[in-house]
Formats: sequence, structure tokens, C-alpha cells
Amino acid sequence: NAGVTQTPKFQVLKTGQSMTLQCAQDMNHEYMSWYRQDPGMGLRLIHYSVGAGITDQGEVPNGYNVSRSTTEDFPLRLLSAAPSQTSVYFCASRTVTDTQYFGPGTRLTVL
Amino acid sequence: AQRVTQPEKLLSVFKGAPVELKCNYSYSGSPELFWYVQYSRQRLQLLLRHISRESIKGFTADLNKGETSFHLKKPFAQEEDSAMYYCALTSTTNAGKSTFGDGTTLTVKP
Repeated sequence: NAGVTQTPKFQVLKTGQSMTLQCAQDMNHEYMSWYRQDPGMGLRLIHYSVGAGITDQGEVPNGYNVSRSTTEDFPLRLLSAAPSQTSVYFCASRTVTDTQYFGPGTRLTVL
Repeated sequence: AQRVTQPEKLLSVFKGAPVELKCNYSYSGSPELFWYVQYSRQRLQLLLRHISRESIKGFTADLNKGETSFHLKKPFAQEEDSAMYYCALTSTTNAGKSTFGDGTTLTVKP
């Protein structure tokens, strides 16, 4: 079991560029989430999914898109990167009765 | 709306001293509460879950519904406990939606 994997580990973008952060899990979990972690602000929920084909917004969804075409994958798209999106991004998955399992994170810098 | 407050951003204790990390929450209903730990440059991992009522690495946490608190305690801190600790709440009506506190950085000095 690889658990929750994320790619890339690090990324530098220029303002206005777009990119996709990848997240995959091999535990057959129904729920998947994306968080951003900023100093002094904890983790904030961006988007989440309760199953393939079903997504919903979290606290800070603006500037991000998600889709969930399979149970395993939950990519996060930055449509037009802004410096305010510089952060560490964590993906997590869980079943309804279990805790969340987190990926290793993607450190994104937007110049 | 669900909310989690961790009033201390930084907490420093000496090795062997007791430690308490505070967590207060607001939620209309019965929440599911967790403590997660993040060691330096590592991913978050579960430390405690309130429904399991077990002790992990010597830490315990009791849910106090009257005070809406879920404080994390350890009687004798160790240097390896130095880490960032997050309290989190998951809605029992929507398991996809979790709210985290801002985190407390614990430093255990030798």
C-alpha cells in the first residue's frame, strides 16, 4: 500500500501560469480532500469529494478546480496562479468511519 | 458553522514536565474530534481520535461537551514530542468536511 501520494513535491510557477497537482490513493477511500497549509493559519479546506463524480467546495475554493473521475485520483487545478497561492498543499483521504490519511504535500511557490 | 480554536500558537516546556495543548470547538451537534501531529517537514498523522479513547505516545484527550473542549495532555513531555499539533473537527453529517485549528508548535527543551 502506497497510501496517499502527491506529485510534484516542489513546484515554482510564474503568475498567470496554470498547473495541476496530482493526488492518488490506493486504499479505496470514498472521501478525498485538498488543504492548503499557511504559516499561522493551520490547514484550510479547498475542495473535497465524497465519491467519484461528486465534489464540493471547502473554505477557500476560489482559484482552484477539482474533478473526481475515479475513486483513486483527485487532481487539483490552479487555473491562473497568483502569489497568494504560494503554500503547501496536502491531499487526504478517508472512509466514513476512519481518520484522514495525508499525502506528503506539495510545496508551491508562485512568483 | 464549525470552528476550531487553538489559543496557543507556541508552547514550550522542559523535558519531563506536564504539557497541555488546548482546543476549543463550536459545532451544532455531536462532532468527531481528532488530534493530528506533524513532525518537521513530514506529513500529518493521526495522534488521537476521541471516539477511540486510547492513549498514543502517552497523550490523552478528553472530550468535554459542556466546555466544548478537547484538550491534549501528556504527564511527562519528551524531546521527541516537539512538533506541530493540530486539533480537527469533522462534521458527523458530512464526513468530507473537516475544520482544523491554526495549530500549536510544541517545543520540549532538554
